[in-house]
Amino acid sequence: GQQVMQIPQYQHVQEGEDFTTYCNSSTTLSNIQWYKQRPGGHPVFLIQLVKSGEVKKQKRLTFQFGEAKKNSSLHITATQTTDVGTYFCAGPRGAQKLVFGQGTRLTINP
Amino acid sequence: GAVVSQHPSWVICKSGTSVKIECRSLDFQATTMFWYRQFPKQSLMLMATSNEGSKATYEQGVEKDKFLINHASLTLSTLTVTSAHPEDSSFYICSASKSGETQYFGPGTRLLVL
Repeated sequence: GQQVMQIPQYQHVQEGEDFTTYCNSSTTLSNIQWYKQRPGGHPVFLIQLVKSGEVKKQKRLTFQFGEAKKNSSLHITATQTTDVGTYFCAGPRGAQKLVFGQGTRLTINP
Repeated sequence: GAVVSQHPSWVICKSGTSVKIECRSLDFQATTMFWYRQFPKQSLMLMATSNEGSKATYEQGVEKDKFLINHASLTLSTLTVTSAHPEDSSFYICSASKSGETQYFGPGTRLLVL
């Protein structure tokens, strides 16, 4: 079945360093979504990418959707302690469902 | 907009009892609600999809007689964990969407079965 793979599983950085998580799908995606889950919290929607090669920015966060629409990345520039959490990508499965990647847990050394 | 609430936020129960979790979309009508389960340090696993007024569709391996889902209105879905056992202890999260758009997640319910 459809799989969404995410790497790395864990990433520990010094505050101020950059961070990137990568997402790969076994199938072409119509769109990809990114979520952030703080420790003890629930997933919060960050963004949706739809177009091939699309790049979107939210302050220090840069999201990319691959040309083939099978991979995506989230890059955080100059991490801050508020960036701590697990970042999930998710691709659509069928008309309504989402399949989530395994997530990348980001921890930051202040 | 697009706020989803869940109640209770956490629950501790004895093995063999049933637990009901409510999921409400507060400021929009949700045509579809989803129930997920998340074990510690793992990803979200979809349990079932429910549409208002119709039976829920369960994912493979999820027992429909154990996890009863009722989607009584466009703003309320409930998940009942029947005869809960310690292995059912988990973080249960619902989400709601309007017409197949973005899913908005509730704050989750932590269930601990003793």
